[in-house]
Amino acid sequence: QSALTQPASVSGSPGQSITISCTGTSSDVGGYKYVSWYQQHSGKAPKLMISDVSNRPSGVSHRFSGSKSGNTASLTISGLQAEDEAEYYCASYTSISTLIFGGGTKLTVL
Amino acid sequence: QLQLQESGPGLMKPSETLSLTCSVSGDSISTRNYYWGWIRQPPGKGLEWIGTVHYDGSNYFNPSLKSRVTISVDTSKNQFSLKVNSVTAADTAVYYCARLALWFREVSPWGQGTLVTVSS
Repeated sequence: QSALTQPASVSGSPGQSITISCTGTSSDVGGYKYVSWYQQHSGKAPKLMISDVSNRPSGVSHRFSGSKSGNTASLTISGLQAEDEAEYYCASYTSISTLIFGGGTKLTVL
Repeated sequence: QLQLQESGPGLMKPSETLSLTCSVSGDSISTRNYYWGWIRQPPGKGLEWIGTVHYDGSNYFNPSLKSRVTISVDTSKNQFSLKVNSVTAADTAVYYCARLALWFREVSPWGQGTLVTVSS
């Protein structure tokens, strides 16, 4: 199974908003509402930020939001802060009952 | 608070069998609503799902690894394990264990990860 497609990098200044896209197919992202997003700081384990396309788990900042249109899901971070600088991964359930991740996007806060 | 902790050898030789165990604390592994799984990350690269097991024994695997992977559950010890046969340098990675919700809709929490290096 091929990885979901994410931009390799995005950047933004403190206070700005950025959006990270995650493109798959109708057999994964487009076919299910089971898209999730993970934040990974260098040397640390990933942390769940968004589940079920747009659900924000308890404890995750309201600045993080998710959406989906067709085969593309998106993670938006508003009011960028220095602590948001990290790698972000999307993931989706697939039609063959597997889990597929995106290639990851490095967010730089300028 | 649910916590997961990986354990196993950090250095292996090519062709050996990789064996890792994930110890679960703070909740029972025998829950109908969750799966337990393994995800790996080669140095400097992205995340790769390896496979997932339910306490009832049902499991799902990454097609690219399925022929070499076994995941099992030990409910008496509240642990689950990963075995990967015939490892090569390409299996060098940080291996994470994690809890997965139904339909793999979320992966949380994750263990801290353990680095496994395959080298002759």
